[in-house]
Amino acid sequence: DQQVKQNSPSLSVQEGRISILNCDYTNSMFDYFLWYKKYPAEGPTFLISISSIKDKNEDGRFTVFLNKSAKHLSLHIVPSQPGDSAVYFCAALKAAGNKLTFGGGTRVLVKP
Amino acid sequence: NAGVMQNPRHLVRRRGQEARLRCSPMKGHSHVYWYRQLPEEGLKFMVYLQKENIIDESGMPKERFSAEFPKEGPSILRIQQVVRGDSAAYFCASSPAKDRARYTFGSGTRLTVV
Repeated sequence: DQQVKQNSPSLSVQEGRISILNCDYTNSMFDYFLWYKKYPAEGPTFLISISSIKDKNEDGRFTVFLNKSAKHLSLHIVPSQPGDSAVYFCAALKAAGNKLTFGGGTRVLVKP
Repeated sequence: NAGVMQNPRHLVRRRGQEARLRCSPMKGHSHVYWYRQLPEEGLKFMVYLQKENIIDESGMPKERFSAEFPKEGPSILRIQQVVRGDSAAYFCASSPAKDRARYTFGSGTRLTVV
């Protein structure tokens, strides 16, 4: 039972354009959502997060949107840069919980 | 300010051998987590530990796998009698006690069973 899903395994975008990554979840108990970036042979690196009491959080080029009624969140990267090429994971935490539940990841390729 | 340290980075074991993976959390972090990533998949939770206590091991296989976080020293993930299906990247993460969302991941140990 996959509680967090990233339905697009890959995404290719031109440098300077917007990258939009999507994530869906099924468990209403999740109250905190995070995005991680991962390069090959490295551990995931935290990018940005959002609490379920908000619908938007912005940090520089990264913005996360949360639609609780649709159980959907998205990560916008604008403008995309070649260094953004990596695998991006969506993850969720349950209220008062410590265990992250990850999506399957989206591989992003930013073309110069 | 060292991050989460995992060793070894790469580990090759023959079928039936034991694998020991080590993780030293970030300074000030008292919570340790182990995750496994199979090829082309996302990370899957295995176990959550605090010093000398296993808090949640719901993601651990019932047999051959064990984890500890002793009072002194690193956390250890131990896999006995390894099989080819254990080949994966194993990531350790740590977080402080009062901020469950402030995870920091290590670089992982890539286990290959031949």
